[in-house]
Amino acid sequence: KQEVTQIPAALSVPEGENLVLNCSFTDSAIYNLQWFRQDPGKGLTSLLLIQSSQREQTSGRLNASLDKSSGRSTLYIAASQPGDSATYLCAVRPRIKAAGNKLTFGGGTRVLVKP
Amino acid sequence: GEEVAQTPKHLVRGEGQKAKLYCAPIKGHSYVFWYQQVLKNEFKFLISFQNENVFDETGMPKERFSAKCLPNSPCSLEIQATKLEDSAVYFCASSQSMGTHNEQFFGPGTRLTVL
Repeated sequence: KQEVTQIPAALSVPEGENLVLNCSFTDSAIYNLQWFRQDPGKGLTSLLLIQSSQREQTSGRLNASLDKSSGRSTLYIAASQPGDSATYLCAVRPRIKAAGNKLTFGGGTRVLVKP
Repeated sequence: GEEVAQTPKHLVRGEGQKAKLYCAPIKGHSYVFWYQQVLKNEFKFLISFQNENVFDETGMPKERFSAKCLPNSPCSLEIQATKLEDSAVYFCASSQSMGTHNEQFFGPGTRLTVL
């Protein structure tokens, strides 16, 4: 059974510092991995999707890496801003057909960027 | 539409009452997913559809939960005889296809409170 872990559960950094968010998963048989952002009381905003054949994806200040063999992904947010304060979740989509198309989520990392 | 739409935003029900939630996927997306978010960030997969057909229902509590995606109508998730533990935010997501590059896009969620 796939398990996804995000450590730390919470992170507080001063504005301008780079953010490093970690995601680990137990089963490397994945189609892809998605990083999401969730603001309090809101839905999920998809940030980046990395396909299993890729090693990284970039969008603006965001860069996500994927090391499938070790079951790890890292989301880097450069030059953090107070507006980056949110909960960040990673989710994997299994390759196993029997598991369907559903995402398995990590518990999230709650980020606070202090001005 | 360009976004996944969910109604209502909030729903309050007394224990034992019925609750019905609605989801309109992004136009052109063939797959619809329902997830339940309880206890902060814990996401649980409920059910997925490929067009109007159930694709994966392994997460559905069979006794009280049902879901449909009918042509030319919003998808729905219905809970008969709600219980206190059904209190959660229910998210709907859609994706265009099953390809490895296909993201799941999430709606804003429906917060169900069972009193």
